[in-house]
Amino acid sequence: ETGVTQSPTHLIKTRGQQVTLRCSSQSGHNTVSWYQQALGQGPQFIFQYYREEENGRGNFPPRFSGLQFPNYSSELNVNALELDDSALYLCASSLVGDTEAFFGQGTRLTVV
Amino acid sequence: AQSVTQPDIHITVSEGASLELRCNYSYGATPYLFWYVQSPGQGLQLLLKYFSGDTLVQGIKGFEAEFKRSQSSFNLRKPSVHWSDAAEYFCAVGAHMNTDKLIFGTGTRLQVFP
Repeated sequence: ETGVTQSPTHLIKTRGQQVTLRCSSQSGHNTVSWYQQALGQGPQFIFQYYREEENGRGNFPPRFSGLQFPNYSSELNVNALELDDSALYLCASSLVGDTEAFFGQGTRLTVV
Repeated sequence: AQSVTQPDIHITVSEGASLELRCNYSYGATPYLFWYVQSPGQGLQLLLKYFSGDTLVQGIKGFEAEFKRSQSSFNLRKPSVHWSDAAEYFCAVGAHMNTDKLIFGTGTRLQVFP
């Protein structure tokens, strides 16, 4: 058991709406990364948070934003949802400088 | 450009047969290489990783992988596949000290017949 938990597990939203996904890091981990995994694809890096600051971003538009809290938990927010945002969103936590990230089970987002 | 290529989208093997999943990478610096497994509806589980040293690395569940710098490859192998190995397998590459900003391949789906 990795200790990384994500909520909710499934979510259905309408195009144009906003969504917030949550991730609770494994105990002791100070870095959280978010990935988007479209159907039939590998995960794509969205961004990473370290000590409550964004620490690297992939090729995603600004309507994808995030937060990290003092307890190292994190949120992923997506505004103005598009149909192509339908995907499995994975959160991974790690200790900066460590060699392994632990993934949660993911949140399956469907945009209709 | 940094990238990971998994040439085989879908592989089918019989239980007990050997397995090799291919992975090729393009990366400017010394790569950190990983193999992850994903069962349906699940997150990713790390099978093994390579940073330096011995180019043959052992992982969990009887998997191993060999790093070949000259071929830019990191192929995953298992001598005898079990039905429970059926899953999606992802190869990934990361940078030193940034091993959670990973670039993943598109995955190989493994089907195992009894």
